[in-house]
Amino acid sequence: NAGVTQTPKFQVLKTGQSMTLQCAQDMNHEYMSWYRQDPGMGLRLIHYSVGAGITDQGEVPNGYNVSRSTTEDFPLRLLSAAPSQTSVYFCASSYSQGSGGYTFGSGTRLTVV
Amino acid sequence: ILNVEQSPQSLHVQEGDSTNFTCSFPSSNFYALHWYRWETAKSPEALFVMTLNGDEKKKGRISATLNTKEGYSYLYIKGSQPEDSATYLCADYNFNKFYFGSGTKLNVKP
Repeated sequence: NAGVTQTPKFQVLKTGQSMTLQCAQDMNHEYMSWYRQDPGMGLRLIHYSVGAGITDQGEVPNGYNVSRSTTEDFPLRLLSAAPSQTSVYFCASSYSQGSGGYTFGSGTRLTVV
Repeated sequence: ILNVEQSPQSLHVQEGDSTNFTCSFPSSNFYALHWYRWETAKSPEALFVMTLNGDEKKKGRISATLNTKEGYSYLYIKGSQPEDSATYLCADYNFNKFYFGSGTKLNVKP
Protein backbone atom coordinates (compact mmCIF):
# COMPACT_ATOMS: atom_id res chain seq x y z
CA ASN A 1 0.00 0.00 0.00
CA ALA A 2 1.24 3.49 -0.84
CA GLY A 3 -0.63 5.04 2.09
CA VAL A 4 -0.87 8.83 1.77
CA THR A 5 1.04 10.32 -1.16
CA GLN A 6 1.83 14.01 -1.30
CA THR A 7 3.34 15.84 -4.24
CA PRO A 8 5.49 17.79 -4.70
CA LYS A 9 7.97 17.33 -1.85
CA PHE A 10 9.51 20.77 -2.37
CA GLN A 11 8.25 23.90 -4.09
CA VAL A 12 9.37 27.50 -4.44
CA LEU A 13 6.76 30.04 -5.51
CA LYS A 14 6.84 33.72 -6.19
CA THR A 15 4.42 35.98 -4.35
CA GLY A 16 1.10 36.03 -6.15
CA GLN A 17 1.50 32.70 -7.93
CA SER A 18 -1.04 29.95 -7.44
CA MET A 19 -0.47 26.24 -7.15
CA THR A 20 -2.06 22.98 -6.05
CA LEU A 21 -0.60 20.57 -3.54
CA GLN A 22 -1.73 17.06 -4.32
CA CYS A 23 -2.76 14.45 -1.78
CA ALA A 24 -3.96 10.94 -2.56
CA GLN A 25 -4.66 7.95 -0.33
CA ASP A 26 -5.38 4.35 -1.28
CA MET A 27 -6.80 3.14 2.03
CA ASN A 28 -10.43 4.10 1.37
CA HIS A 29 -10.30 6.57 4.25
CA GLU A 30 -13.26 8.91 4.56
CA TYR A 31 -11.59 11.53 6.73
CA MET A 32 -8.82 13.67 5.19
CA SER A 33 -7.22 16.90 6.27
CA TRP A 34 -4.46 19.38 5.57
CA TYR A 35 -2.11 20.83 8.18
CA ARG A 36 0.67 23.33 8.13
CA GLN A 37 3.61 23.09 10.46
CA ASP A 38 5.47 26.20 11.51
CA PRO A 39 8.31 26.43 14.03
CA GLY A 40 7.03 26.68 17.60
CA MET A 41 3.39 26.41 16.54
CA GLY A 42 2.83 22.71 16.04
CA LEU A 43 0.37 21.41 13.46
CA ARG A 44 -2.49 23.72 12.55
CA LEU A 45 -5.53 22.51 10.65
CA ILE A 46 -6.21 24.28 7.35
CA HIS A 47 -9.17 22.35 5.89
CA TYR A 48 -10.67 18.94 6.37
CA SER A 49 -13.17 16.60 4.74
CA VAL A 50 -15.36 13.90 6.27
CA GLY A 51 -16.14 12.32 2.90
CA ALA A 52 -16.38 12.90 -0.84
CA GLY A 53 -18.22 16.12 -1.59
CA ILE A 54 -17.90 17.47 1.96
CA THR A 55 -15.25 19.94 3.11
CA ASP A 56 -14.96 22.38 5.99
CA GLN A 57 -12.59 24.98 7.36
CA GLY A 58 -10.03 24.41 10.08
CA GLU A 59 -8.12 26.92 12.20
CA VAL A 60 -6.21 28.70 9.41
CA PRO A 61 -8.21 28.44 6.15
CA ASN A 62 -7.57 31.89 4.67
CA GLY A 63 -5.73 31.82 1.36
CA TYR A 64 -6.43 28.13 0.73
CA ASN A 65 -9.15 26.20 -1.09
CA VAL A 66 -9.90 22.49 -1.12
CA SER A 67 -12.23 20.13 -2.90
CA ARG A 68 -13.06 16.44 -2.44
CA SER A 69 -14.55 15.04 -5.62
CA THR A 70 -13.38 11.48 -4.86
CA THR A 71 -12.62 9.53 -1.69
CA GLU A 72 -8.98 9.16 -2.75
CA ASP A 73 -7.96 12.73 -3.56
CA PHE A 74 -7.90 15.92 -1.48
CA PRO A 75 -5.94 18.69 -3.24
CA LEU A 76 -5.04 21.95 -1.51
CA ARG A 77 -4.97 25.10 -3.64
CA LEU A 78 -3.04 28.22 -2.82
CA LEU A 79 -4.91 31.00 -4.56
CA SER A 80 -2.31 33.78 -4.48
CA ALA A 81 0.82 32.78 -2.60
CA ALA A 82 2.14 35.04 0.15
CA PRO A 83 5.41 34.79 2.14
CA SER A 84 3.29 34.01 5.23
CA GLN A 85 2.37 30.72 3.55
CA THR A 86 5.96 29.51 3.66
CA SER A 87 5.60 26.34 5.70
CA VAL A 88 5.67 22.56 5.66
CA TYR A 89 2.30 21.11 4.64
CA PHE A 90 1.05 17.70 5.69
CA CYS A 91 -1.91 15.80 4.36
CA ALA A 92 -3.40 13.12 6.61
CA SER A 93 -6.22 10.60 6.43
CA SER A 94 -8.12 8.34 8.80
CA TYR A 95 -10.75 5.62 8.44
CA SER A 96 -12.72 7.17 11.26
CA GLN A 97 -13.43 10.74 12.28
CA GLY A 98 -11.98 10.44 15.73
CA SER A 99 -11.42 6.88 16.83
CA GLY A 100 -8.87 6.00 14.14
CA GLY A 101 -5.30 7.25 14.09
CA TYR A 102 -4.15 9.48 11.29
CA THR A 103 -1.83 8.32 8.52
CA PHE A 104 0.29 11.25 7.39
CA GLY A 105 1.87 11.99 4.04
CA SER A 106 5.57 12.80 3.83
CA GLY A 107 5.01 16.54 3.65
CA THR A 108 5.54 19.37 1.18
CA ARG A 109 8.07 22.08 2.00
CA LEU A 110 6.83 25.30 0.40
CA THR A 111 8.79 28.52 0.19
CA VAL A 112 7.17 31.71 -1.06
CA VAL A 113 9.61 34.44 -2.08
CA ILE B 1 -10.11 26.65 18.73
CA LEU B 2 -9.33 24.21 21.53
CA ASN B 3 -6.28 24.71 23.70
CA VAL B 4 -4.16 21.56 23.85
CA GLU B 5 -1.02 21.96 25.90
CA GLN B 6 1.97 19.67 26.25
CA SER B 7 4.69 19.78 28.83
CA PRO B 8 7.56 19.90 29.01
CA GLN B 9 8.50 21.43 25.65
CA SER B 10 11.72 19.44 25.59
CA LEU B 11 13.38 16.77 27.65
CA HIS B 12 16.91 15.38 27.74
CA VAL B 13 17.42 12.00 29.42
CA GLN B 14 20.11 9.36 29.58
CA GLU B 15 19.72 5.96 27.96
CA GLY B 16 17.94 3.67 30.40
CA ASP B 17 16.04 6.44 32.19
CA SER B 18 12.28 6.26 32.38
CA THR B 19 10.38 9.41 31.55
CA ASN B 20 6.90 10.81 31.16
CA PHE B 21 5.19 13.86 29.76
CA THR B 22 1.78 15.44 29.87
CA CYS B 23 -0.96 16.46 27.47
CA SER B 24 -3.73 18.74 28.80
CA PHE B 25 -6.97 19.29 26.93
CA PRO B 26 -10.44 20.70 27.61
CA SER B 27 -12.48 18.11 29.48
CA SER B 28 -15.86 19.17 28.10
CA ASN B 29 -17.26 17.40 25.00
CA PHE B 30 -14.42 14.90 24.98
CA TYR B 31 -14.39 12.37 22.14
CA ALA B 32 -10.85 11.05 21.58
CA LEU B 33 -7.22 11.76 22.40
CA HIS B 34 -4.41 10.69 20.08
CA TRP B 35 -0.67 10.33 20.64
CA TYR B 36 1.82 10.51 17.77
CA ARG B 37 5.56 9.98 17.47
CA TRP B 38 7.35 12.31 15.07
CA GLU B 39 10.96 11.65 14.14
CA THR B 40 13.00 14.35 12.47
CA ALA B 41 12.61 14.41 8.66
CA LYS B 42 9.73 11.92 8.82
CA SER B 43 5.96 12.14 9.19
CA PRO B 44 4.07 11.71 12.46
CA GLU B 45 3.12 8.11 13.23
CA ALA B 46 0.13 7.15 15.35
CA LEU B 47 0.95 5.59 18.73
CA PHE B 48 -2.34 5.46 20.61
CA VAL B 49 -5.97 6.42 20.22
CA MET B 50 -7.73 6.76 23.57
CA THR B 51 -11.43 7.27 24.02
CA LEU B 52 -12.49 6.16 27.50
CA ASN B 53 -11.77 7.70 30.88
CA GLY B 54 -9.24 5.51 32.65
CA ASP B 55 -7.94 4.05 29.36
CA GLU B 56 -4.44 2.64 29.52
CA LYS B 57 -2.64 1.68 26.32
CA LYS B 58 0.74 0.05 25.89
CA LYS B 59 3.08 -0.57 22.97
CA GLY B 60 6.38 -2.11 23.98
CA ARG B 61 8.10 0.26 26.42
CA ILE B 62 5.67 3.09 25.74
CA SER B 63 2.37 3.44 27.55
CA ALA B 64 -0.29 6.10 27.99
CA THR B 65 -3.10 6.87 30.41
CA LEU B 66 -6.16 9.06 30.04
CA ASN B 67 -8.22 11.11 32.50
CA THR B 68 -11.10 12.75 30.64
CA LYS B 69 -12.72 14.22 33.76
CA GLU B 70 -9.72 16.38 34.57
CA GLY B 71 -8.52 16.70 30.97
CA TYR B 72 -5.06 15.16 30.87
CA SER B 73 -3.13 12.25 29.43
CA TYR B 74 0.32 10.97 30.36
CA LEU B 75 2.77 9.26 28.05
CA TYR B 76 5.39 7.07 29.72
CA ILE B 77 8.57 5.63 28.25
CA LYS B 78 10.29 2.95 30.29
CA GLY B 79 14.03 2.47 29.89
CA SER B 80 14.50 5.13 27.17
CA GLN B 81 16.68 4.24 24.21
CA PRO B 82 18.37 6.61 21.70
CA GLU B 83 15.88 5.47 19.05
CA ASP B 84 13.08 6.91 21.22
CA SER B 85 14.40 10.39 20.42
CA ALA B 86 11.55 12.16 18.67
CA THR B 87 8.83 14.72 19.19
CA TYR B 88 5.72 13.29 20.82
CA LEU B 89 2.48 14.98 19.84
CA CYS B 90 -0.96 14.68 21.33
CA ALA B 91 -4.17 15.67 19.55
CA ASP B 92 -7.66 16.22 20.94
CA TYR B 93 -10.51 15.31 18.60
CA ASN B 94 -13.50 17.57 19.12
CA PHE B 95 -16.30 18.91 16.93
CA ASN B 96 -15.01 17.05 13.86
CA LYS B 97 -11.52 18.52 14.15
CA PHE B 98 -8.17 17.49 15.57
CA TYR B 99 -6.34 20.04 17.70
CA PHE B 100 -2.65 19.28 18.14
CA GLY B 101 -0.41 20.31 20.97
CA SER B 102 3.00 21.72 20.09
CA GLY B 103 4.74 18.53 21.22
CA THR B 104 7.40 17.36 23.67
CA LYS B 105 10.81 16.92 22.06
CA LEU B 106 12.65 14.02 23.68
CA ASN B 107 16.39 13.54 23.30
CA VAL B 108 17.85 10.32 24.69
CA LYS B 109 21.63 10.40 25.11
CA PRO B 110 23.57 7.13 24.77
